[in-house]
Amino acid sequence: GENVEQHPSTLSVQEGDSAVIKCTYSDSASNYFPWYKQELGKGPQLIIDIRSNVGEKKDQRIAVTLNKTAKHFSLHITETQPEDSAVYFCAASRTGGFKTIFGAGTRLFVKA
Amino acid sequence: GAVVSQHPSWVICKSGTSVKIECRSLDFQATTMFWYRQFPKQSLMLMATSNEGSKATYEQGVEKDKFLINHASLTLSTLTVTSAHPEDSSFYICSARGGQGALRDTQYFGPGTRLTVL
Repeated sequence: GENVEQHPSTLSVQEGDSAVIKCTYSDSASNYFPWYKQELGKGPQLIIDIRSNVGEKKDQRIAVTLNKTAKHFSLHITETQPEDSAVYFCAASRTGGFKTIFGAGTRLFVKA
Repeated sequence: GAVVSQHPSWVICKSGTSVKIECRSLDFQATTMFWYRQFPKQSLMLMATSNEGSKATYEQGVEKDKFLINHASLTLSTLTVTSAHPEDSSFYICSARGGQGALRDTQYFGPGTRLTVL
């Protein structure tokens, strides 16, 4: 079945450094890729998404890139802050009501 | 926009009792709602998918008679854990998808419900 692999599972960075989380999807028909941030004891919150007709999208300190040929997409967080510490999930789906497949999550620690 | 609420945020119950968790989309009509279970430091495990007015579709290994899902309206879905036991203790999270434009493709999550069964 469809699968999304996410790496690394844990990432520790110093405040101010950049963090990169990478995902690979198996369903070549996937065309929508959201990213979620989950803080401890809370539900996941959408932070950015990208569609397959775009190669890159940026929103302040976060950006997402997509390589459809390689079926890779990545989340980039620049100038990390302690409040960025959380679990981040990538996901892939096809638009039109299909199931969303989530990665296993990356636990990001930003050290002050 | 796209706010999803859950109630209660936490619940403690005795073994053998049933617990109902509500999930509401506050500012959009959710044609599809999802229920997830999450164990500590683990990923999201999809339990079931429900479309308004239809029976829920359960993932393999999820007992439909134990986890009753009702999606009676475009803004409300409920999950009832029947005859709860300690092994049902977990963090349950709902999400909703629907609405117009981009909202149709994105799942918006509720804040989760922490269930503890004694």
